[in-house]
Amino acid sequence: NAGVMQNPRHLVRRRGQEARLRCSPMKGHSHVYWYRQLPEEGLKFMVYLQKENIIDESGMPKERFSAEFPKEGPSILRIQQVVRGDSAAYFCASSPPRAGSTDTQYFGPGTRLTVL
Amino acid sequence: GNSVTQMEGPVTLSEEAFLTINCTYTATGYPSLFWYVQYPGEGLQLLLKATKADDKGSNKGFEATYRKETTSFHLEKGSVQVSDSAVYFCALSDSGGGADGLTFGKGTHLIIQP
Repeated sequence: NAGVMQNPRHLVRRRGQEARLRCSPMKGHSHVYWYRQLPEEGLKFMVYLQKENIIDESGMPKERFSAEFPKEGPSILRIQQVVRGDSAAYFCASSPPRAGSTDTQYFGPGTRLTVL
Repeated sequence: GNSVTQMEGPVTLSEEAFLTINCTYTATGYPSLFWYVQYPGEGLQLLLKATKADDKGSNKGFEATYRKETTSFHLEKGSVQVSDSAVYFCALSDSGGGADGLTFGKGTHLIIQP
């Protein structure tokens, strides 16, 4: 049973380019969460999605960042016109359909974004 | 709002020493509490969790008890090994029954010396 998969594992972009990060949840999971980890910091929640719906995006920056989880395919976190401050590790987590606050979120290995 | 505070690191111990990593929280409801571990270059792995007051989570020799009266969830292990060297994150989930994002502490870097 494959775990949460993220790709690419490492991504290098120049300022002004777009970054697309992909996340495939664990089999049978329909809830996806994105987190950002800045150097020497803990993880900060960004957005929570179910299939075709954004449930909570309270942690997403208001500009340049967007996320989707289509009916088919992986969840995508998109960062437009990247800046150096976007350099971080981005983690995706998933949880099963009946997800509540007691359910465990399972994390992927992360995508490390470097903006030159 | 919700918050998690854990002791700053790095924490350096000798092998077989007793470990405590303190974690306290602030939450508006009745949160579930988690400890995650992150090994170098990897994602987070769930270490243990507790979903209600006085519950004890345990795994791989690690334990933590959900203390509502002190709003704490301290991580303990009786005898640490070099392989326990990692960053440990305390986290909570508090959504009144629905799912939402976890609130994490800043992490404690644990270094175990042989």
